[in-house]
Amino acid sequence: GESVGLHLPTLSVQEGDNSIINCAYSNSASDYFIWYKQESGKGPQFIIDIRSNMDKRQGQRVTVLLNKTVKHLSLQIAATQPGDSAVYFCAENMKRDDKIIFGKGTRLHILP
Amino acid sequence: DAGVTQSPTHLIKTRGQQVTLRCSPKSGHDTVSWYQQALGQGPQFIFQYYEEEERQRGNFPDRFSGHQFPNYSSELNVNALLLGDSALYLCASRPGQGAYEQYFGPGTRLTVT
Repeated sequence: GESVGLHLPTLSVQEGDNSIINCAYSNSASDYFIWYKQESGKGPQFIIDIRSNMDKRQGQRVTVLLNKTVKHLSLQIAATQPGDSAVYFCAENMKRDDKIIFGKGTRLHILP
Repeated sequence: DAGVTQSPTHLIKTRGQQVTLRCSPKSGHDTVSWYQQALGQGPQFIFQYYEEEERQRGNFPDRFSGHQFPNYSSELNVNALLLGDSALYLCASRPGQGAYEQYFGPGTRLTVT
């Protein structure tokens, strides 16, 4: 069946270091992948996306890598800041189904 | 430009009651989706509305129903509430069926006692 999962429920990173959040997906038919950030008391906020015909995409301080061979997705955050503390979700979408499937989330904790 | 708005912010209901949650999409968006997010979990897709019709539905019982109005705003109705319906209900909108990026509202926290 369709599923999107995450390897680690909690990740602690020193302020200023780079963060890497990993995600495994099982549906090879997915054609679009998204990373969301969710702060306490707020709805998910779009960070960055990548289509299945790409393997890397960069944004401001963030990079998403897609490895279709092993069905792995990662989010890299450069120079992690206190404001990056949140729960991060990877999600997948199949255009034919037109719905987004979320994983369970990874909490990113920034150490001072 | 207002983003996605939802009301109410919080709601407490008793088992067996019915509840209606409301959503106004981001300006220019005509497609609205609803998600249920249990504590510590990722959002789960409930259904999507476009052109005032339900277009897609997730694995939720018929107790969950919705509606979309001509101004693209939407309601989520849940009948015969169960304790397990306690969750954050999120509304997301996007500018048309062909667009991938969805914008989420802050959610409505529903507590069923």
